[in-house]
Parts: sequence; structure tokens; C-alpha cells
Amino acid sequence: QQPVQSPQAVILREGEDAVINCSSSKALYSVHWYRQKHGEAPVFLMILLKGGEQKGHDKISASFNEKKQQSSLYLTASQLSYSGTYFCGTEPITGNQFYFGTGTSLTVIP
Amino acid sequence: NAGVMQNPRHLVRRRGQEARLRCSPMKGHSHVYWYRQLPEEGLKFMVYLQKENIIDESGMPKERFSAEFPKEGPSILRIQQVVRGDSAAYFCASSKDKSPSTDTQYFGPGTRLTVL
Repeated sequence: QQPVQSPQAVILREGEDAVINCSSSKALYSVHWYRQKHGEAPVFLMILLKGGEQKGHDKISASFNEKKQQSSLYLTASQLSYSGTYFCGTEPITGNQFYFGTGTSLTVIP
Repeated sequence: NAGVMQNPRHLVRRRGQEARLRCSPMKGHSHVYWYRQLPEEGLKFMVYLQKENIIDESGMPKERFSAEFPKEGPSILRIQQVVRGDSAAYFCASSKDKSPSTDTQYFGPGTRLTVL
């Protein structure tokens, strides 16, 4: 039920790009992305609804391929403030539950 | 506009005691969700409540755990006879509409429970 994220961890230098993937075994209605810094609450980044849309703001964007039951988060020209653990949250087409992914730890170094 | 509030932020209990965690949703939000996060792990869904109703408690352990969201006051997650394995961060989230289909969830700062 829990979506699988890859990679598990990534280290970037400032200005580099990264892609985080989220893959579900269930047909999805929506995918949400959150970032959590150590010891803090998850902070909402964006939501993607089925329809294969792509969204973005500033240098963070995401895509949702409902046929493949996958979503990807793209971080371009990374900044130190991007460091944290990124979680996807998935809503299957059937059911009430919301499943968080396994998490991807992102560290941006100067 | 205050965000989701949780208290206490840190709670220490001895084995066998009871833990009560409180969550006040954002103003205008009537949907509350509780999650548990073990160290270095992701968030695990526990329960989804609307005012006075439990909508989905499929993620709650069958024993010792209960949740409520009364008409007035905060949502309460109650853990009876705590054991060391209950030590975790417990996050509450709220949304205006049923989430996640039509609205996102906003998270509180969490309560870190330590069982000695």
C-alpha cells in the first residue's frame, strides 16, 4: 500500500538538479508532495490530480503519470533551503486512506 | 490565522501510564487526521475524523488507542497503558474539505512521545 520513493537519499551541491520518484501499486486519484525538515512538521508543496498534469512553482515542479501510477518531483538549481526529507502522499481511487511514501532524504551542500 | 496546533509538544510517560495528545485544527477545518512517525521513517496513517464521527480508523492499533473529535474542543488521541514501542512523533493534520481529493492537509508541529 505504501508508495515507494527513489532514491532513498541524495546529496547535491548548490545549483544542481534532482529528481525524486514516487511509485504506487494502486491506481491513483491524486499525489501530494511534502517536505519535512528534521524535527519539524511536513510542509505541503503541491498537489497533482489525475489527468496527467504537471505543476510547478519557482524551481520545484512535479508530474503525475496516472497510467504508470507514478509521480516525479523535479528540483532545479537547488538551494541550501531545499534540504530535508521529501514525501509523496498518494490517494488511491478507492478508499479513504492517504498513504505516505518511504521518503527521500535530500541534502544540499555549498 | 493560527495553523494547526498540537499540545503538548513533548510528552514523557512511564510504561503503563496514559498519554493524551491534543490537536486543534485550523479555523474552518472540520476534518482531522492523525499520523505516527517513528524515527527515520515515514508517516503512517492512523485515523481520520470529522466532528463527532470517526470516518476511518483502519490505521489504529486495535487495543489501547482511541481517538475522538467532539463537537466542541480539540481532537484527542488517547493511548492507554503505554509501552516503549509507542515512542514516536504523532502528527495531526486538518483540512477544510475531505482530503486529499479536494483539499490538502495542513500539519501541526507534532507531539513527541517518549515512554520510559
